Amino acid sequence: DQQVKQNSPSLSVQEGRISILNCDYTNSMFDYFLWYKKYPAEGPTFLISISSIKDKNEDGRFTVFLNKSAKHLSLHIVPSQPGDSAVYFCAASEGSSASKIIFGSGTRLSIRP
Amino acid sequence: DAGVIQSPRHEVTEMGQEVTLRCKPISGHDYLFWYRQTMMRGLELLIYFNNNVPIDDSGMPEDRFSAKMPNASFSTLKIQPSEPRDSAVYFCASSLALAGLQETQYFGPGTRLLVL
Repeated sequence: DQQVKQNSPSLSVQEGRISILNCDYTNSMFDYFLWYKKYPAEGPTFLISISSIKDKNEDGRFTVFLNKSAKHLSLHIVPSQPGDSAVYFCAASEGSSASKIIFGSGTRLSIRP
Repeated sequence: DAGVIQSPRHEVTEMGQEVTLRCKPISGHDYLFWYRQTMMRGLELLIYFNNNVPIDDSGMPEDRFSAKMPNASFSTLKIQPSEPRDSAVYFCASSLALAGLQETQYFGPGTRLLVL
């Protein structure tokens, strides 16, 4: 059973608008959440993270929201740009160790002109 | 630094053959991870090492899979015998031994494996 779920395999957004990528998790012990971005033929790269003691973390155009009661997090990208077209992986870990991150299956974001 | 290096980038083999994937982590990183990416299951952690020692191999799907890290700068993931369902992209990643910095996990470009 997947502990981190990204139920939308793909998303298409017009350039300049807001992109919202969603992620749900089942393990209430997760206390650190991350988003990774992956371009074709490259490995995933870290994008933004949030600790469970917060409900929002912002970094430029990227904001991650965490709703612990709903076990849900989302990544907002605004405004969306063509270079944002990629696969986005939601991930979670338990504790402060870098050792074991559980990834979701990814959402392919396409930014259309 | 060149980042995490993986070879080969692409591998096509026939069912039953042995496949060996290679990884060179970033120098100075104490953790090394092997992941597999498939359409159905996304990114799955197969095994990880700390200071060349395997710590958790619970993600290794079957005994056909094995991984070694003979030294701090080299690791292999071997599949013997390979099967068509092993077709996937295999990523290696490395990170520093710093607590709380999960984002310091750096991924290689991956090896795309196709088993016919």
